[in-house]
Parts: sequence; structure tokens; C-alpha cells
Amino acid sequence: KNEVEQSPQNLTAQEGEFITINCSYSVGISALHWLQQHPGGGIVSLFMLSSGKKKHGRLIATINIQEKHSSLHITASHPRDSAVYICAVSSGNTPLVFGKGTRLSVIA
Amino acid sequence: GAGVSQSPSNKVTEKGKDVELRCDPISGHTALYWYRQSLGQGLEFLIYFQGNSAPDKSGLPSDRFSAERTGGSVSTLTIQRTQQEDSAVYLCASSLVEPRGNNEQFFGPGTRLTVL
Repeated sequence: KNEVEQSPQNLTAQEGEFITINCSYSVGISALHWLQQHPGGGIVSLFMLSSGKKKHGRLIATINIQEKHSSLHITASHPRDSAVYICAVSSGNTPLVFGKGTRLSVIA
Repeated sequence: GAGVSQSPSNKVTEKGKDVELRCDPISGHTALYWYRQSLGQGLEFLIYFQGNSAPDKSGLPSDRFSAERTGGSVSTLTIQRTQQEDSAVYLCASSLVEPRGNNEQFFGPGTRLTVL
């Protein structure tokens, strides 16, 4: 079974800071997913990537397949970015295996 | 279009009672997943339906848990004789299935179950 590790577990940042959240996994995958969970509990898919880099607004996700590692970056962070960010991996259509999440708080 | 919907949004029940949780996936999505998020814990897989194939039940924590998917669309997760440790948010997700693709999963809002 794939083991997914995220770091840090908790992160507090000042508004405007550049933020990096890391994810590593133990077994080869076909896709890595970054999810966002707001305090109300709803989960939104931010990225699904299998190689390289994707960018959406102030969010950037990268993956290194050889090193089994991915990073999620947030540029110019804002209080509304405060949420739990969850890394998950899959192989084809298999159920997701999740990391424990990174709780981000951005302070104005 | 409509996303994944779940009902009820909140359910409070007494220990020992049975509960049913419902998931309506996105129309046309053939894959449906149930996950659980216990307080302070990460998300864990429960059960997976894909088309007409036998479901993958490998994540169900005990035989008190069961799920069905009727007509390839709506799914019901049933927990019999609920225990306090069943208290959690139960999340449903659905996705398309493309033979050689990776498929983004779309999550419902979840059902928060509290067992007293």
C-alpha cells in the first residue's frame, strides 16, 4: 500500500508570503492530486498531475516522478487561502490514498 | 451542471441504531467512491463502485458497513448497529473512467454522522 507523507503538518504564514507544502509517496503512481478542504468541510480538487508542473492562478503544483515527490506552492498568500491542503495519489481509477493534510493559516 | 450531492448533511443517531447515507454522483460518472474522515484523522477509503463490476469493499472497517449502487447511479452507504467510533464525516466522490487516463474525482459536501 502506498504511504503518503506531507510536511509540514501545520503552517502559519503572513499575508503575502510564498508558501510551499511538500508531499512524498512510497510506490509508483499514475497521478497525484492536491485537494483543498475549507473549515466547512467541503473538498475541492485543485490539481491532478502525473508529470511536470501545473499552474492555476496563484497556485503551482510540481511533481518529480523519479523522486516520488510533489510540492504545492502558493504565491502572494492571502487569508482566504487558509484551509487544509491534502495530497493524494492514485493508480488509474483506484481509490485515492491520502496524506494527513497540512493545515495552513494565513494571517493578515 | 450539478455536482455530487449527499444527504443528509448531518445525522445524529443513538448507539445501536442503523443509518443510511445517500450519494448522488455527477450524471454520467461511472465510478463512485465512499471515504470517511474521522475527527482529527485523515481521509480513508471505504468502498468503490465502477460500472457493473463487483465493488471494491476492501476499505470497509467491519461487516456492519455495506453499500449498494442502484442503476449505476445513486449509492447508499448503510451502517448497522452504529457505534460511537463510527462518528465521522462520510464523503462521496465520483469520476469518469477513461481507459488509459487518470480521472479527477469530484467530492460531495459530506454527511457528518454523530453517534451518541
